[in-house]
Amino acid sequence: AQTVTQSQPEMSVQEAETVTLSCTYDTSESDYYLFWYKQPPSRQMILVIRQEAYKQQNATENRFSVNFQKAAKSFSLKISDSQLGDAAMYFCALHSGAGSYQLTFGKGTKLSVIP
Amino acid sequence: NAGVMQNPRHLVRRRGQEARLRCSPMKGHSHVYWYRQLPEEGLKFMVYLQKENIIDESGMPKERFSAEFPKEGPSILRIQQVVRGDSAAYFCASSMRNTEAFFGQGTRLTVV
Repeated sequence: AQTVTQSQPEMSVQEAETVTLSCTYDTSESDYYLFWYKQPPSRQMILVIRQEAYKQQNATENRFSVNFQKAAKSFSLKISDSQLGDAAMYFCALHSGAGSYQLTFGKGTKLSVIP
Repeated sequence: NAGVMQNPRHLVRRRGQEARLRCSPMKGHSHVYWYRQLPEEGLKFMVYLQKENIIDESGMPKERFSAEFPKEGPSILRIQQVVRGDSAAYFCASSMRNTEAFFGQGTRLTVV
């Protein structure tokens, strides 16, 4: 069985500052993918960033970057220059195994951005 | 190219009624996944379907829940004799084989 743990139920950040959201995971697979999804109040699940386990380089998408520590099974999300529109629930997710794109999600971190 | 379409967005059912949730995948996608999100929780996998086949239903409750993805038309998640504990947001995602899944906006089911 695979698990995803987000230990921070809530976080806050000042506008324009940087915040890091934590995620740890467990899987017995060697080939897997990790994701961060954003869920604003509209409920839409928006893919923020993805990381292939076989890639050593950390993924980056504009203001969003990850710190992928494979040995420690850690996958944190860093948001730089935080904006009011970044306020949302953030979910870490894991996909492993071939043949389907079934995801295992963490419980989420609610991010507030303070003007 | 429309995204994954779910309807209705909101559904209210009385205890004991049936709920039918619909999901139209993105064009060209033949794989559909259903997830349930309870309040203050992450999404939990329920079932994975390809056209006319259930591939993995390991996350489906054993009773009252069923899913289908017919050759023509949307995928349907059906909940019979709903109870208060079924109140949740239900999300559908679709993909092509072994590619990223895209999510719909979800259906919020409220059982009163």
